[in-house]
Amino acid sequence: QKEVEQNSGPLSVPEGAIASLNCTYSDRGSQSFFWYRQYSGKSPELIMSIYSNGDKEDGRFTAQLNKASQYVSLLIRDSQPSDSATYLCAVTAGLGGSYIPTFGRGTSLIVHP
Amino acid sequence: DAGVIQSPRHEVTEMGQEVTLRCKPISGHNSLFWYRQTMMRGLELLIYFNNNVPIDDSGMPEDRFSAKMPNASFSTLKIQPSEPRDSAVYFCASSFSPASGRSYNEQFFGPGTRLTVL
Repeated sequence: QKEVEQNSGPLSVPEGAIASLNCTYSDRGSQSFFWYRQYSGKSPELIMSIYSNGDKEDGRFTAQLNKASQYVSLLIRDSQPSDSATYLCAVTAGLGGSYIPTFGRGTSLIVHP
Repeated sequence: DAGVIQSPRHEVTEMGQEVTLRCKPISGHNSLFWYRQTMMRGLELLIYFNNNVPIDDSGMPEDRFSAKMPNASFSTLKIQPSEPRDSAVYFCASSFSPASGRSYNEQFFGPGTRLTVL
């Protein structure tokens, strides 16, 4: 049973701070990793994807992948109240595995002014 | 370019009635997913199609649930008969999955259908 674990939170950070969201996964053969943002009452929206060890930056967002330790994280710099949402981590199996991503339960982020 | 389209956006029905949810994936995508989301269970995959063929329906909770994809631009999820415990938000998502190589699988979600069964 492939598992993706996230702290449900809520994670509360002040405006302007760095928010750090973490995700661990059980399938060592996983190769594709995604972060989705879901505002209350809305659908998940893909914000970052990462496939190789290391960091990937896109604007205020940085995804970090460490396959040896089986974790992926999302850093949000200069957090804004508009970043308040639930962040879902999704992991897809490796070569020969299915295309189906496994989603974590999500971490609720609250950015307060 | 239009994203994934779902209809209806809201559905309120009575227990025992048939419910049909509809989805139009993004043009050019060859994979389609139906999910259910509740507070208790999070986001659950119900069924997955690749090139219009159902690949994995192990997440379909009961025989009351069925899904079809008659062509590349349309899919339905049907619940018959519906029960109060089916109340949830149902999402359709689509992606492009290459025939070989890495399964990138960046999924794009529709707005969802909020189903309430009384």
